[in-house]
Amino acid sequence: GAGVSQTPSNKVTEKGKYVELRCDPISGHTALYWYRQSLGQGPEFLIYFQGTGAADDSGLPNDRFFAVRPEGSVSTLKIQRTERGDSAVYLCASSLERTAYNEQFFGPGTRLTVL
Amino acid sequence: AQSVAQPEDQVNVAEGNPLTVKCTYSVSGNPYLFWYVQYPNRGLQFLLKYITGDNLVKGSYGFEAEFNKSQTSFHLKKPSALVSDSALYFCAVRDHNPNQGGKLIFGQGTELSVKP
Repeated sequence: GAGVSQTPSNKVTEKGKYVELRCDPISGHTALYWYRQSLGQGPEFLIYFQGTGAADDSGLPNDRFFAVRPEGSVSTLKIQRTERGDSAVYLCASSLERTAYNEQFFGPGTRLTVL
Repeated sequence: AQSVAQPEDQVNVAEGNPLTVKCTYSVSGNPYLFWYVQYPNRGLQFLLKYITGDNLVKGSYGFEAEFNKSQTSFHLKKPSALVSDSALYFCAVRDHNPNQGGKLIFGQGTELSVKP
């Protein structure tokens, strides 16, 4: 079956602009996660959705970052007033349910470059 | 605070030799431990996990990992390395604490290079 998909695969923007990154999880997966991976680092947690609600947004670095999942499926990560330090690969993952022992399935990521 | 450490940035192995990629963790309570592999320009792929039970866990592509509670380690192993195993490997941990949600805490990654 289809895995997690993310669009766009690459996004180049200018400092100060607004960007939206989209994640389409595996069908039926109720849990959805966003991570950010900087060069040479492991992924860092940003936000976790269970259904439509953000159950844990403790990883969002500041109020320029926001994410939604209005119908409990597709999610959009929104970044306002982008800064060069936001450049990274943004990964989305989904899992079957919120239990901690279910593995997460990752998408290929969106590489964001802020000039 | 939960944390994961992968002490080696890079591991070099000759094809056919056994490989070990090291991981240690720090959590409160019992851990859920995972290994993921990342190929260039691709997302992370799940390899295996330890939840409870046998300390030796078998996973995809012939990989296995040994959970050692006293040493707080979860090293990834394979008896005979392939050139195609060359990739970036990440160890990750999740706590049992339901208040932590489902987030994974990742190590910084280990680059595995298998030479013919």
